[in-house]
Amino acid sequence: ETGVTQSPTHLIKTRGQQVTLRCSSQSGHNTVSWYQQALGQGPQFIFQYYREEENGRGNFPPRFSGLQFPNYSSELNVNALELDDSALYLCASSLGAGGLLETQYFGPGTRLLVL
Amino acid sequence: DAKTTQPTSMDCAEGRAANLPCNHSTISGNEYVYWYRQIHSQGPQYIIHGLKNNETNEMASLIITEDRKSSTLILPHATLRDTAVYYCIVSPTGTASKLTFGTGTRLQVTL
Repeated sequence: ETGVTQSPTHLIKTRGQQVTLRCSSQSGHNTVSWYQQALGQGPQFIFQYYREEENGRGNFPPRFSGLQFPNYSSELNVNALELDDSALYLCASSLGAGGLLETQYFGPGTRLLVL
Repeated sequence: DAKTTQPTSMDCAEGRAANLPCNHSTISGNEYVYWYRQIHSQGPQYIIHGLKNNETNEMASLIITEDRKSSTLILPHATLRDTAVYYCIVSPTGTASKLTFGTGTRLQVTL
């Protein structure tokens, strides 16, 4: 157990809809990163939040957005869902933004299916 | 970021050492080597990381060649619970929590 939880565990949406995925980080962890893992692939970095500010973004379009809250929870929002957005979405928390503090602890993920 | 090459799959007998290789011939001087694993239906789990010296922790050892173009993750006494996909990732300083994973090596530990 990593102390990182995600909800829901599974979700089905239709193309064009919007979705919000939630993550609860370990207490005291100021950094949360979100990843997308397509079937058969490794996780791909979407973006990171550090103390409620975006702190880096991978190669994902603006319809992927996020929020981080003071209570160590965070959200990933995806607008205008496309079929290719079907994937496992993982969040990972870490203490800080540098060195050994960056060791990540992953949640179990939310599996999103877009029809 | 440097790319990595790993075998698609490997087998290991329980109790034996599992040696997982990774090639990263284009690694830059400021890039670390990270290893994670992902057990089926779980999120990835951090194992170990290193820059140029060999590293050991309670989970594994990481051996990095002198030219840093390849590395080997060693699980000294593999158990069935070590069956997982193992990812080798190379990434610059300050990006340990912004990683892009490849497809990894599927390690099957058998009786």
